[in-house]
Parts: sequence; C-alpha cells; structure tokens
Amino acid sequence: GAGVSQTPSNKVTEKGKYVELRCDPISGHTALYWYRQSLGQGPEFLIYFQGTGAADDSGLPNDRFFAVRPEGSVSTLKIQRTERGDSAVYLCASSLKGYNSPLHFGNGTRLTVT
Amino acid sequence: GESVGLHLPTLSVQEGDNSIINCAYSNSASDYFIWYKQESGKGPQFIIDIRSNMDKRQGQRVTVLLNKTVKHLSLQIAATQPGDSAVYFCAETSNAGGTSYGKLTFGQGTILTVHP
Repeated sequence: GAGVSQTPSNKVTEKGKYVELRCDPISGHTALYWYRQSLGQGPEFLIYFQGTGAADDSGLPNDRFFAVRPEGSVSTLKIQRTERGDSAVYLCASSLKGYNSPLHFGNGTRLTVT
Repeated sequence: GESVGLHLPTLSVQEGDNSIINCAYSNSASDYFIWYKQESGKGPQFIIDIRSNMDKRQGQRVTVLLNKTVKHLSLQIAATQPGDSAVYFCAETSNAGGTSYGKLTFGQGTILTVHP
C-alpha cells in the first residue's frame, strides 16, 4: 500500500520567508510525527499528533515552528521567518496506534534557507 | 569507533559476510527499541523492533540482540548484500509515566558498505 507521502521533496527559500511542509500519513494511522534531520545526524523529534491534537510539541525549537492536523489525517508543518539554521530534512512519520508500534517514515522535505 | 558530527562509524564488509552493527543507549528506562535503515535521499526504513522483555528477536536475515545490563543493542545481518549498504540507526523510547509513543531518540548511525 501507499506509504507516508511528503511534499515538496525539496524547498529552497530565502531567509525570513514563510514555508509550509505537507505530510500525508498512511491511511488508518492515528499517530503522526514530525522529525528533523541534519546532515550526518539521526532524526530529532519535533511534534506528535494523536488524531487531531498535538499531544507533545516539546521538540519544536521555538515559536516560529507550528504544526496542524485539522482532520486527523494530513498534517502541515509551518515555519515562520525562516533562518539559515532551519535548513535540514524534515521527516514525517505515522504509526498505527502511537505506542510501541513502529514509525513509518516518508522520504522527507529537504529545506534549504539561503 | 567514536565519532563526532559528520564522522559516523563505518563498517565495510564483503558480500555474503555477516554484519554486526552496534548501538549503545543511555536511558535505562527505555523499553522499546527499533532499528532503521536509511538510504541516501530517503527516509528511515523500519527493519526490526524489540521490547525490553525480550533479549533477542529474529526477522528475515536480521537479528536484534538487546543487553539491558550494559544498555547495548546490536543488529546482525546475515549474508550481507550490496543492497544492504546504507546508514543504520538504532532508536529507543520509554514508557515511563505511561506516555509511551513514537518519541524516539535516535543513535548517531553507522554507515554500512557492502562490497561485491
């Protein structure tokens, strides 16, 4: 079946601009996560949704970052006033039930802030 | 060996050999562990998982071993193939406080290169 889909696959933006990154999880997966991966590092947790609500947003680095999942399926990660340090691969993952079930990742959006 | 930043540990093997990738974790409360394979330009791909009430679990060509005493996890790949070449990450999470979910903490990764 279809896996986690992320769009766009690449995004180049200028410092100070606003960006939105989209994630379509696997159908039927109630849990959705955003992670960020810098070059040569493992992914780092940003935010977790169970259904429509953000159950844990403790990984968001600051208030320029925000994510929504209004209908409990598709999620959008929003970054305001982008900075060069935001450049990374943003990964979305979903899992069937959230606890003790493996995360299935998309291929990510590579964000480059110039 | 130890690595910092971009200098990930590396493992080079010949096709057909068995590979062992190691991972040390730090949180003694971690109770669920996953191995992921990541190829260039792709997201991490689930390989195998293990819960803390087990010390060994086998999949197709892969085996994960968990030693909670020394907080060590290993991934064994049998008859390694060129298609196994990738970066391998271990990840852990804890059910402490009953809030277990996919808030994974990833290790630094190991680059596996399989030579034909």
